[in-house]
This record gives sequence, structure tokens and C-alpha cells, in this order.
Amino acid sequence: GAGVSQSPSNKVTEKGKDVELRCDPISGHTALYWYRQSLGQGLEFLIYFQGNSAPDKSGLPSDRFSAERTGGSVSTLTIQRTQQEDSAVYLCASIQGYNEQFFGPGTRLTVL
Amino acid sequence: RKEVEQDPGPFNVPEGATVAFNCTYSNSASQSFFWYRQDCRKEPKLLMSVYSSGNEDGRFTAQLNRASQYISLLIRDSKLSDSATYLCVVKRGGGTSYGKLTFGQGTILTVHP
Repeated sequence: GAGVSQSPSNKVTEKGKDVELRCDPISGHTALYWYRQSLGQGLEFLIYFQGNSAPDKSGLPSDRFSAERTGGSVSTLTIQRTQQEDSAVYLCASIQGYNEQFFGPGTRLTVL
Repeated sequence: RKEVEQDPGPFNVPEGATVAFNCTYSNSASQSFFWYRQDCRKEPKLLMSVYSSGNEDGRFTAQLNRASQYISLLIRDSKLSDSATYLCVVKRGGGTSYGKLTFGQGTILTVHP
């Protein structure tokens, strides 16, 4: 079956613009995560959705970042007024129960 | 202190060598443990889960020491294709954000001919 998909695969934007990144998790997976990874760095947790529970937003670096998950499926990560330090690969992952966490291919964001 | 800590390396080893990676975690409520592998410019993928009794998958052996809050990964007879970043991952077992996975910074391994 289909894995986790993300769009766009690459996004180049100008400083100060808003961007939206999309994640389509594996159908039926109740948990969804967003991470970001800067060049040569580890995974930085951003936000975690688990079923109908309130999301864990503890990793969002500033109030310019927000995410929502509609209908328990598709998720959108929005970055407002982008800054150069926002440049990174944004990874989405989904998991069902105690099984493996599956990652999407990521969106490579470049802020000029 | 980071919730999951790893030696970032890099580890440079010849083919056929045995190499071990270590990881420590700070949250005693952690429930499950994993090793993921990430190839350059690719997304992470599950390598193996880590069980209290220790487990082996071919050339890979994972160990867990709950008392010391320590996880290890041993790779025997290294292959060139083992070159990657190895991520230690801990799953929260209780309290807030039950089930949340936390990743270590990763250990870089390069196997050379």
C-alpha cells in the first residue's frame, strides 16, 4: 500500500513569506509527527498528533509555526514569515499502535 | 540534558570490523526502544527494536540495560553498505504525550574498503 507522502518535495521561498507543507499519513494510522532536520543535524521534534487528543506542540520553535490535522488524516504544517534559519528538511511520520514509525520523504525548505 | 544522547562519531571502520554504538536516555518512564538507520539525504527507517533480553538480527545485536538507562547496537562483520547514520529512539511509556518517540542525534558510521 501507499506510504507516507509529503508535498511539495522542495520549496524555495523568500524571507518573510508564509509556507504550507502537507503530509498524507498511511491510512488508518492514528499518530502523526512532524520533525525537522537541518543539514548534518539530528531530528528535531516539532509536533505530535495522537488520535483525538490535544496535540503535543512542545517542539514548535516559535509562534510562527503551527500545524493542524484535519479529519484525523492529512496534516498541514504552516510557517509564517519565514526566516533563513527555518531552512531544513521537514519530515512527517505516522504510526499505528506499537508498530514501526514510517517516515515520508520530506520537504526540503530553502528560505532565501 | 537531552532526553536521548548518543556519541555522534564519526566512526570510521574497515570492512569486516565490529563496531558498537551506545545511547543513554534520561526518562525512566521510557517504554520502548529502537534503532533507526538514516542514509544520506533519505528518511530514517527502522533497523530493529530493542528488547530487555537483548535481540539479534543477523549481524546486528541490540542490548538494553534499564537499570543504567543504556542501549547499545553492535554490528559485526561490517559491510560498505552499513555506512549510514544510526539513530537511537526512545518511546515514552507514561504521563503526558504517551507513545511519543524521541530521537537521539545519531551516530555516523563510515565503513571503508
